[in-house]
Amino acid sequence: RKEVEQDPGPFNVPEGATVAFNCTYSNSASQSFFWYRQDCRKEPKLLMSVYSSGNEDGRFTAQLNRASQYISLLIRDSKLSDSATYLCVFEYNFNKFYFGSGTKLNVKP
Amino acid sequence: DVKVTQSSRYLVKRTGEKVFLECVQDMDHENMFWYRQDPGLGLRLIYFSYDVKMKEKGDIPEGYSVSREKKERFSLILESASTNQTSMYLCASHADEKLFFGSGTQLSVL
Repeated sequence: RKEVEQDPGPFNVPEGATVAFNCTYSNSASQSFFWYRQDCRKEPKLLMSVYSSGNEDGRFTAQLNRASQYISLLIRDSKLSDSATYLCVFEYNFNKFYFGSGTKLNVKP
Repeated sequence: DVKVTQSSRYLVKRTGEKVFLECVQDMDHENMFWYRQDPGLGLRLIYFSYDVKMKEKGDIPEGYSVSREKKERFSLILESASTNQTSMYLCASHADEKLFFGSGTQLSVL
């Protein structure tokens, strides 16, 4: 069983749409949660951390559901520049990070 | 801004060669990591280091070794490259809950 499960997509959405991704994790001792963004042929970069109470950064909202062991990312008013692969990341046991294989998002004009 | 620099963007090597991948960070971070990224598998941890001369195996250390003689530099070594080590290799340093990645080395082993 994989530590982290993500729908690979691709999610093809029009500009202005709202899109949401989920990511499940198997290790209930996971301590910290993150979403990273990776553009084609580039390195991953931190998009946002995910806090227990949920958090928002502009058009992006992240949620954590510990009972069901998943995190989610909601993108409102999608832009062409949001096209990328979104990786969920869990930190377990200080310094041990598990990555999902990524969800590809294509925002079309 | 944190800068993590990997010495090569693309590398082509032959089976059996010894390969060195170099990574340097400029923010005095203690923790550094080597991952490989393959389609459909996500990033998998090869080795990490939490201090000079300190290292720990990650999830897939077989066929690899590492060296951390100075805090800013973390090297990944393929003792005898094999075709199944063809991959994208990503180095990262870590501080304040954030991972900072280098731009990656696409290694092809022929």
